[in-house]
Amino acid sequence: QVQLQESGPGLVKPSETLSLTCNVSGGSINTHFWNWIRQPPGKGLEWIGYVHYSGSTNYSPSLKSRVIISVDTSENHFSLTLTSVTAADTAMYFCARQRGFSSPFDIWGQGALVTVSS
Amino acid sequence: DVQMTQSPSSLAASVGDRVTVTCRAGQSVAFNLNWYQQKPGQAPKLLVFATSSLQSGVPLRFSGDGSGTSFTLTISSLQPEDFGTYFCQQTYMTPWTFGQGTTVEVK
Repeated sequence: QVQLQESGPGLVKPSETLSLTCNVSGGSINTHFWNWIRQPPGKGLEWIGYVHYSGSTNYSPSLKSRVIISVDTSENHFSLTLTSVTAADTAMYFCARQRGFSSPFDIWGQGALVTVSS
Repeated sequence: DVQMTQSPSSLAASVGDRVTVTCRAGQSVAFNLNWYQQKPGQAPKLLVFATSSLQSGVPLRFSGDGSGTSFTLTISSLQPEDFGTYFCQQTYMTPWTFGQGTTVEVK
């Protein structure tokens, strides 16, 4: 069965770049849509964007200027890059699978907490 | 963006109670409405998709209904393990958006 696992630094300095990777195991990344979602401590869920296995992307307008999501089919993982971070970017970051364009997020990673602090 | 509004923000109910959570969309999302349950320290778990389809393995006491702009998630007989926060999500148009969540406490 497909499992997702986020990895990356847990602490990032203000103005620097946040980078996370979501490793897909138990199945191929060569299908479906692959999403990033974040959740500030004690708050709700915010969709960041997705990458399709073909490489096409779609980002939240509120983060579009600072986000890149990419896929590496040879490594079976996809990645999130968020530039110029501030304390407001402190959150649990989740990756999730979406089978089709309007499908739900049926498989989620356990999440990676990223704190932005000097 | 399609704004999603849930009510109530929180509720407390007894084991065996029927519980209903409402989600309203700022514009029609057709039937592209999903529900998730999140427990503390865990990732959200998909319960119901496309308004009323139950995800595999989800107990039959959970059900979803609605269309357009108004949707409900119902737990027919609340169980102790049903505590947590429930989120609705629309996947009708990007950016995908979530409701603010409804926290369910089991008395």
